[in-house]
Amino acid sequence: DAKTTQPPSMDCAEGRAANLPCNHSTISGNEYVYWYRQIHSQGPQYIIHGLKNNETNEMASLIITEDRKSSTLILPHATLRDTAVYYCIVNAGANSKLTFGKGITLSVRP
Amino acid sequence: NAGVTQTPKFQVLKTGQSMTLQCAQDMNHEYMSWYRQDPGMGLRLIHYSVGAGITDQGEVPNGYNVSRSTTEDFPLRLLSAAPSQTSVYFCASSSWTGALYGYTFGSGTRLTVV
Repeated sequence: DAKTTQPPSMDCAEGRAANLPCNHSTISGNEYVYWYRQIHSQGPQYIIHGLKNNETNEMASLIITEDRKSSTLILPHATLRDTAVYYCIVNAGANSKLTFGKGITLSVRP
Repeated sequence: NAGVTQTPKFQVLKTGQSMTLQCAQDMNHEYMSWYRQDPGMGLRLIHYSVGAGITDQGEVPNGYNVSRSTTEDFPLRLLSAAPSQTSVYFCASSSWTGALYGYTFGSGTRLTVV
């Protein structure tokens, strides 16, 4: 599975959009981009995934560049409860193994 | 719908003791896996299973055994606990077709080996 690179931390103001970047320059054609988050040592929570097209669900939007070498997770209106570690993972899905890096710590300030 | 249930939530072991961490899911997911998370680190895969009777090793399998006799249960056994196995353990499940649909994680077992 391809590796991902995320900055270690970022913050944003409550109510504003949080844009979390991820680089995955070695991604293969059959690999998906997944995002999970982990709130204060709870079990990780699935957020969203995508292959080529941008995706949106009730939690977030995922923007994948045309060359698929990077992506951005967007939380449109961040709240204090969105403070968490966010993991960007690239996975082909076929063998179903997820490899977690250190993720990015998002701090939402009042 | 309980999702993924892990027991116990907390456990303290003495070095050399053995124990089994339980994981059960009620979503009829084919795929189950165990991860450990050390302080300030991401999750590391210990063992995984793609269905009943089938298991395989992950990134850090040494010192752990698993079996999958039913679709619902995937216990993790520590053979002889060591302080290096002090960690938080997470179990996860997914449908086979299906890593596409996201993994469901349990709430974790916090293990301390003294």
